Amino acid sequence: NAGVTQTPKFQVLKTGQSMTLQCAQDMNHEYMSWYRQDPGMGLRLIHYSVGAGITDQGEVPNGYNVSRSTTEDFPLRLLSAAPSQTSVYFCASKFSRDRPQETQYFGPGTRLLVL
Amino acid sequence: LAKTTQPISMDSYEGQEVNITCSHNNIATNDYITWYQQFPSQGPRFIIQGYKTKVTNEVASLFIPADRKSSTLSLPRVSLSDTAVYYCLDTGRRALTFGSGTRLQVQP
Repeated sequence: NAGVTQTPKFQVLKTGQSMTLQCAQDMNHEYMSWYRQDPGMGLRLIHYSVGAGITDQGEVPNGYNVSRSTTEDFPLRLLSAAPSQTSVYFCASKFSRDRPQETQYFGPGTRLLVL
Repeated sequence: LAKTTQPISMDSYEGQEVNITCSHNNIATNDYITWYQQFPSQGPRFIIQGYKTKVTNEVASLFIPADRKSSTLSLPRVSLSDTAVYYCLDTGRRALTFGSGTRLQVQP
């Protein structure tokens, strides 16, 4: 298993540009989520999905869109990048939200710089 | 959102035992207590999890008192490679809520 993979590893955008951060997992996990981490801070939840076709907002959803057309993929779209979105983005997955003892697996992260 | 409280930073030397304590004042009955480790430029990695009493694995031990309002992560004989940020979380059906974590610096 590759686990949770993210592409790209690093991206530079200009203000107003749009882009999609890719996330995929090969563990047949139902639950997937996106976090952002600013320097010296903990992770903050952007959006999450409990299964294909179902998404919901997290703590900081503004400026981001998600969709979940397959179990494996959970892309995060920045509609119009702003410097405040400069951060490291982590995708995570676990088998099911309904099992609190399930371990959540994190991807390696995408470092985004918005100029 | 439930959030835990833990020290911002700790320093230690190689070979020492390190104990990091966390407060879980808003933990729900069905929540587990989970600790993650994060190295620079990497995603968080699961270390250990428990519901109550003591849990031990090859990496660490976790002590949870009967009231479950706190937990203590114990790292035996730390090495330089244990330098990282450690997060304690209440894990349940809600999405994970990360605090700022405890930054552990291990020195030679």
